[in-house]
Amino acid sequence: DIQMTQSPSTLSASIGDRVTITCWASHTISSWLAWYQQRPGKAPKLLIFKASTLEGGVPSRFSGGGFGTEFTLTISSLQPDDFATYYCQQYSTYPYTFGQGTKLEI
Amino acid sequence: EVQLVESGGGPVDGGGSLRLSCGSFGFTFSNTWMSWVRQSPGKGLEWVARIKTKPEGWTTDYAAPVKGRFTIWRDDSKNMMFLQMNSLRTEDTAVYFCTTEAPGGACYFRSWGQGTLVSVSS
Repeated sequence: DIQMTQSPSTLSASIGDRVTITCWASHTISSWLAWYQQRPGKAPKLLIFKASTLEGGVPSRFSGGGFGTEFTLTISSLQPDDFATYYCQQYSTYPYTFGQGTKLEI
Repeated sequence: EVQLVESGGGPVDGGGSLRLSCGSFGFTFSNTWMSWVRQSPGKGLEWVARIKTKPEGWTTDYAAPVKGRFTIWRDDSKNMMFLQMNSLRTEDTAVYFCTTEAPGGACYFRSWGQGTLVSVSS
């Protein structure tokens, strides 16, 4: 199975900050990577697919990048709603696997 | 608006069985690949099983930890998906989410239900 590793596990930040979360794949996955946001007690929400394509309705302050084995999720100016946990997921190779999550907190 | 509603979770003894259901609204269910994804405190998010559509012969895939114990199927006439879980283990304890996969076989999860909690006791 392809292992997905996120860094950091926890990130402390403030409103208006620019933050970046990194996700590494244990094998190359081209651009077959998605990012999700999960607020407490809620289901994950798709933010980005194919490494950098924003899902409809997702604010433009979210952006994704990377290719192969290293990927990033950047939030350009943190808003109160952005404090949540973020997960990456590879869909290059079955079985599809997720990172362990990055908790973004104030 | 896409809506997915899971039901059927609850407490169960180890070795027991449970059947989860997922009702869908707001999209063409019969054209959509569907998956179950679970989330436990210890193992995070984990894809469990998937079922494709009629043109693909309703092909199913399973994660290794559940293969042979879980069965996924769908009823396109009722816009519903199911997961039969047998020989349950404590490590199956999780919130189970019903999800839609993106069109064209891109296996990321576009829409999610609210989840149903399965709690397996030893």
